[in-house]
Amino acid sequence: QKEVEQNSGPLSVPEGAIASLNCTYSDRGSQSFFWYRQYSGKSPELIMFIYSNGDKEDGRFTAQLNKASQYVSLLIRDSQPSDSATYLCAVKGGSYIPTFGRGTSLIVHP
Amino acid sequence: DAGVIQSPRHEVTEMGQEVTLRCKPISGHNSLFWYRQTMMRGLELLIYFNNNVPIDDSGMPEDRFSAKMPNASFSTLKIQPSEPRDSAVYFCASRSDQPSPLHFGNGTRLTVT
Repeated sequence: QKEVEQNSGPLSVPEGAIASLNCTYSDRGSQSFFWYRQYSGKSPELIMFIYSNGDKEDGRFTAQLNKASQYVSLLIRDSQPSDSATYLCAVKGGSYIPTFGRGTSLIVHP
Repeated sequence: DAGVIQSPRHEVTEMGQEVTLRCKPISGHNSLFWYRQTMMRGLELLIYFNNNVPIDDSGMPEDRFSAKMPNASFSTLKIQPSEPRDSAVYFCASRSDQPSPLHFGNGTRLTVT
């Protein structure tokens, strides 16, 4: 059973702080890693993807991947109240099917 | 690009009734996924199609659920008969070539009373 684990939260951070979201996965053969954001009542939307070990930056978002330790994280710098949402980690291995974690709820308070 | 289009957005039905959910994937995408999302279980894959062919339906809960993809631009998920425990948000997602990410539709919120 391929598993993707996330802390359900909520993770509460003040506006302007760095929010750190973590995800671990069980399948060592995993090759592609995605972070989706889901606002309440809306569909998941892709915000980042990463395939190689190390960091990948896109604006205020940084994805970090460590395949040896089997974890992927998402950092959100200068957090804004509009970043308040559930963040889903998705991992894809040798099959064509991504497995989703249950998501971490992030609350950014003014 | 219109994105993945799902209908209806909301469906309320009584136990025992047949429910049909519809999905139009993004043009040119050759993979289509049906997911179900609940608070208790998160996002669960129900079935995956590639080039209109069902590849993995191991997530379909039971025989009451069936899915079809008659052509590259249309898919249906049918529940017959529906039960209250089927109440959830059902998402359709499509993807082009590997390892592209999924693009989700707006979902169908199903309530079975």
